Amino acid sequence: QVQLVQSGAEVKKPGASVKVSCKASGYIFTSYYIYWVRQAPGQGLEWMGILNPSVGNTIYAQKFQGRVTLTRDTSTSTVYMELTSLRSEDTAVYYCARGSGSGLPDGWGQGTLVTVSS
Amino acid sequence: QSVLTQPPSASGTPGQRVTISCSGSDSNIGSNNVNWYHHFPGTAPKLLIYRNNQRPSGVPDRFSGSKSGTSASLAISGLQSEDEADYYCAAWDESLNGPVFGGGTKLTVL
Repeated sequence: QVQLVQSGAEVKKPGASVKVSCKASGYIFTSYYIYWVRQAPGQGLEWMGILNPSVGNTIYAQKFQGRVTLTRDTSTSTVYMELTSLRSEDTAVYYCARGSGSGLPDGWGQGTLVTVSS
Repeated sequence: QSVLTQPPSASGTPGQRVTISCSGSDSNIGSNNVNWYHHFPGTAPKLLIYRNNQRPSGVPDRFSGSKSGTSASLAISGLQSEDEADYYCAAWDESLNGPVFGGGTKLTVL
């Protein structure tokens, strides 16, 4: 079945960068887009960006333009999300998710907690 | 502030039927399909309803979805204690060129 396994929790200082991985299995990696969505404490889900694993092109939410980069390694079926210039408001659980034909996620990773604190 | 609007909480007793609403606009729910997810804290969100009213295999028929205009609803009948979770709606937004989500509804089974 579809599985998305993310890397472990991270603690970073303000101004630093974080890179979270998402390893896919159970389906053809290059056939489905991967989304990154985050949830800050007490907040709802917020879309950050989309990556097409087949060709590597990306779409980023305007809010994160210039700070987020999505990449992939097709040899390991892994997608990476790097967020730079971290601030306390970036403290959140970050999820990767597989995109279905409707443009919405149909399978999710377990989430990665990123804590930004001095 | 989430693009889609959901009530922050809902509740019911075992066996009851509860409904959770999701309100959007012409650029999202009004022109695209709606998904619903349930989320138990500390775990991965799980797809509950797709394309407004379709259930993935394994989801009980106690869960149903509907859409009308720029609003959607999730209904849970025969409420069970294990239904206690956070529920989120989502739709593609043409203006933002990406998915948008509701703020989530915390369902409590009394």
